[in-house]
Amino acid sequence: GNSVTQMEGPVTLSEEAFLTINCTYTATGYPSLFWYVQYPGEGLQLLLKATKADDKGSNKGFEATYRKETTSFHLEKGSVQVSDSAVYFCALRDNTNAGKSTFGDGTTLTVKP
Amino acid sequence: DADVTQTPRNRITKTGKRIMLECSQTKGHDRMYWYRQDPGLGLRLIYYSFDVKDINKGEISDGYSVSRQAQAKFSLSLESAIPNQTALYFCATSEPGGGTDTQYFGPGTRLTVL
Repeated sequence: GNSVTQMEGPVTLSEEAFLTINCTYTATGYPSLFWYVQYPGEGLQLLLKATKADDKGSNKGFEATYRKETTSFHLEKGSVQVSDSAVYFCALRDNTNAGKSTFGDGTTLTVKP
Repeated sequence: DADVTQTPRNRITKTGKRIMLECSQTKGHDRMYWYRQDPGLGLRLIYYSFDVKDINKGEISDGYSVSRQAQAKFSLSLESAIPNQTALYFCATSEPGGGTDTQYFGPGTRLTVL
């Protein structure tokens, strides 16, 4: 079956530091890949996505590139802010079974001023 | 107003009680989902529905049931709640997109079963 493995947290960074959160996946077919963010007390919201190999998703300074050869979709940001403190989830949707998403366990990011 | 709403936002109940969690959406999406989130774990799919007449079990449907009353409403029921159903429950919607579609989540319902 499908699976998503995320870098374990929590991650604590100082403001303006570089962020990488690793995500690797196992899937049949050709999945689409997503990063969702969950702020305290809220539901998940889409941060970025990529639907085919070599696509780069980007939003709010965050980027992730769909690497089929390494089955990875690592999240990066060059300079984090305190407001980026949240839980980040990597997820995939299998295009052959579009009703189901598979989520990673989430990585908690805390950014200190 | 939020596109996906859930009621109640918090609920404390006792073992053996019947509980219903409700989800409404104004996005006009046909597809709706129920997930549970446990501390340190990702989201696990309980049930999903592709339209009013289509209900499907997810990976952890035992102990739960659902009702799709209308395109905009999708309810989750716990017929006889037990403590290990204590969790954060999320409703989500999406458009048909062959797997590329983004999911839109409600704010969650925190359920505690004593």
